[in-house]
Amino acid sequence: DAKTTQPPSMDCAEGRAANLPCNHSTISGNEYVYWYRQIHSQGPQYIIHGLKNNETNEMASLIITEDRKSSTLILPHATLRDTAVYYCIVRGSGGSNYKLTFGKGTLLTVNP
Amino acid sequence: DAGVIQSPRHEVTEMGQEVTLRCKPISGHNSLFWYRQTMMRGLELLIYFNNNVPIDDSGMPEDRFSAKMPNASFSTLKIQPSEPRDSAVYFCASSLSGAANYGYTFGSGTRLTVV
Repeated sequence: DAKTTQPPSMDCAEGRAANLPCNHSTISGNEYVYWYRQIHSQGPQYIIHGLKNNETNEMASLIITEDRKSSTLILPHATLRDTAVYYCIVRGSGGSNYKLTFGKGTLLTVNP
Repeated sequence: DAGVIQSPRHEVTEMGQEVTLRCKPISGHNSLFWYRQTMMRGLELLIYFNNNVPIDDSGMPEDRFSAKMPNASFSTLKIQPSEPRDSAVYFCASSLSGAANYGYTFGSGTRLTVV
């Protein structure tokens, strides 16, 4: 799996957009970018994933650069409940590419 | 959908005792994963099952750990004998393999304390 680099921590004001960056410069053509988050004392929760196009769902938006070497997860209106560790993971599709390898992630703290 | 169900939520046991953690994956999912989380090592994949068959157990720390999946709706992770260093949160996750667009769904975890 390609490795990812994330800042260890970030702060965001409640109601503002939270933009979480991730570098994955060694990503290969068939690898997807996944984002998960883990709220304290809970299991990781799937947020969103993408291959090359930008994606949006009810939770967040994912912006992937054209060269696919980095991406940004956007929480458009952060709330206190969005305080969590956010993990950026790259993984291939199918076959032996079943493994999700979690790094240290980014601790996002949303402040009132 | 009840999600991935793990039991018990908390387990406290004495060193040397046998511990069994249980997991019920989401109906229809054919891949199941056991992860362990500690402060020092983060989230580690212990074992992966596909269609009830263990595919990758390279993350199982040692012979004291064993996992089974007797059917599509149930899996166990057993530690025998348990040691204090096994204290951690153990998560079970399931997904639909072969579908790259599927993420994993994790359970709420079992917090194991070995004293």
